[in-house]
Amino acid sequence: DTEVTQTPKHLVMGMTNKKSLKCEQHMGHRAMYWYKQKAKKPPELMFVYSYEKLSINESVPSRFSPECPNSSLLNLHLHALQPEDSALYLCASSQDGGLSGNTIYFGEGSWLTVV
Amino acid sequence: QKEVEQNSGPLSVPEGAIASLNCTYSDRGSQSFFWYRQYSGKSPELIMFIYSNGDKEDGRFTAQLNKASQYVSLLIRDSQPSDSATYLCAVNSGTASKLTFGTGTRLQVTL
Repeated sequence: DTEVTQTPKHLVMGMTNKKSLKCEQHMGHRAMYWYKQKAKKPPELMFVYSYEKLSINESVPSRFSPECPNSSLLNLHLHALQPEDSALYLCASSQDGGLSGNTIYFGEGSWLTVV
Repeated sequence: QKEVEQNSGPLSVPEGAIASLNCTYSDRGSQSFFWYRQYSGKSPELIMFIYSNGDKEDGRFTAQLNKASQYVSLLIRDSQPSDSATYLCAVNSGTASKLTFGTGTRLQVTL
């Protein structure tokens, strides 16, 4: 069982809604990630937090807003999304952002549908 | 552009046979290599990681890395129907927190 927990498992939202995806890891890891995965495609990196600071933003549109309240929690705030943003959103964590410790473990994902 | 390439498959093997999954990468500076298994509708699950040239074995799984030829492979011995999934190769290419994924190979283990 994964020690990266994501809620909710499924979310349906309208284009004018504001919602959030939540992620918690219980492994003492100091790096956390958001990935987006469309059907039959590999995961695509969105954001990386290392030691609670945003270290990588892969030019993600501002309608996606990440937040890292502490080293165990990671949120993704969603606002004014488009139907093409419907995807599986994966949270992940690793020991740290350094090369030697970067085995990345994924949560079970949140299925997002934008209507 | 850093790329990771995999044959999309499907790769079909009979139960009990060895499944061989291959991956090539373009960035010679790549340091660490990962295999994830992803069942349909589920999230990726880490199977193996390898950092050094040669073989690394874990149960029925063996990862093989050849940095000179820029390929990494995953062998699954005694394949079971439960191994049927998409296998994603992922490569860390220098920027510590970034993995580049291949498009995945779909494996089908037939009875």
